[in-house]
Amino acid sequence: EDQVTQSPEALRLQEGESSSLNCSYTVSGLRGLFWYRQDPGKGPEFLFTLYSAGEEKEKERLKATLTKKESFLHITAPKPEDSATYLCALAGGGGADGLTFGKGTHLIIQP
Amino acid sequence: NAGVTQTPKFQVLKTGQSMTLQCAQDMNHNSMYWYRQDPGMGLRLIYYSASEGTTDKGEVPNGYNVSRLNKREFSLRLESAAPSQTSVYFCASSEGGKDEQYFGPGTRLTVT
Repeated sequence: EDQVTQSPEALRLQEGESSSLNCSYTVSGLRGLFWYRQDPGKGPEFLFTLYSAGEEKEKERLKATLTKKESFLHITAPKPEDSATYLCALAGGGGADGLTFGKGTHLIIQP
Repeated sequence: NAGVTQTPKFQVLKTGQSMTLQCAQDMNHNSMYWYRQDPGMGLRLIYYSASEGTTDKGEVPNGYNVSRLNKREFSLRLESAAPSQTSVYFCASSEGGKDEQYFGPGTRLTVT
């Protein structure tokens, strides 16, 4: 069974204080590892897809990396508008479609 | 280009009532999905449709039915609502079954 565990559950940072969010996973045949951002009262917004260990993707202050067991979302010099819940999800090699999601990390950036 | 749209945005039902949640996408995607999101549980897949005319159960299908009306539209029906179905429901679509998904804004459903 595919599993995704995100840590920490919540993280409070000062503006400009860089940090990383963790996504640990177990999967039979990884087809893709996805990061989403979700603002309160809204649907998840797609950020990145990673396919293989060693791959990295960047967008503004965010960088996602992937190993064979974990993915990290690095946030560099965050701003208050980066406050959101960040979700990690994966697509496994099984026959069923759909993504398996973690419970998310609630990130708060204080001015 | 509206992406994925859902109606209604909010709904309150009494136990035993029925309703249909509507979803449409304008990205010409093949696959569509229904998830529910509950506090502390994360997003869980209810049903999905890999193509027009096909539907399959996800992790939590009990109490729900779906219809893939055409390539654009995928509806979720609650035949007899229960308080345990109080949740936020999200529709999503993707090009293929293992690709990144794009989500709608959600329907917040309360069953009393």
